[in-house]
Amino acid sequence: GAVVSQHPSRVICKSGTSVKIECRSLDFQATTMFWYRQFPKKSLMLMATSNEGSKATYEQGVEKDKFLINHASLTLSTLTVTSAHPEDSSFYICSAEGLAGHHTDTQYFGPGTRLTVL
Amino acid sequence: DAKTTQPPSMDCAEGRAANLPCNHSTISGNEYVYWYRQIHSQGPQYIIHGLKNNETNEMASLIITEDRKSSTLILPHATLRDTAVYYCIVRVGNNNDMRFGAGTRLTVKP
Repeated sequence: GAVVSQHPSRVICKSGTSVKIECRSLDFQATTMFWYRQFPKKSLMLMATSNEGSKATYEQGVEKDKFLINHASLTLSTLTVTSAHPEDSSFYICSAEGLAGHHTDTQYFGPGTRLTVL
Repeated sequence: DAKTTQPPSMDCAEGRAANLPCNHSTISGNEYVYWYRQIHSQGPQYIIHGLKNNETNEMASLIITEDRKSSTLILPHATLRDTAVYYCIVRVGNNNDMRFGAGTRLTVKP
């Protein structure tokens, strides 16, 4: 199967600092990567869609200057939460969809990153 | 907004089949039905997807009605490890986004 990793798995930071989360497709090349956020006991909410080498497309209500997304290669996308505040504390999950082969029509999800902002 | 409707919760006895329904009455002809599940504090796990025909893999079976307005995910022999939130999602083709609804919380009981 297709494997997607995220790093770190959990992070605690002080208010005002920036945090970078990495999402990697380990055994396939990902044309598109997606970033989601999930609050406790809630469903996943799509934040943005990123295609390799182009700017991310953000969902309505998601601040692009606060949540910086970079999709520099076909196996790596990063989400940077800038000037984090306690209300940004959440579970951040990425997913990736493949370039060719049987990974083209299925999104595979990473294990998630739990961010806690003090 | 999610285009699917699922019961909020279901119980199933261990070893029995779990049948999880999903309504998608406004599905378009080019939209697929996907099923994922999420175990607490983990990322969603892909289970199965289909367009018109019934599908089966090592994890589950997907039964789609002829009019495609509803589907059922079947876990043939549920185990305690199948306890999770199950999401039914419809989406168009490749590399398009997925919208998650509230899902069904399945509890498998011994």
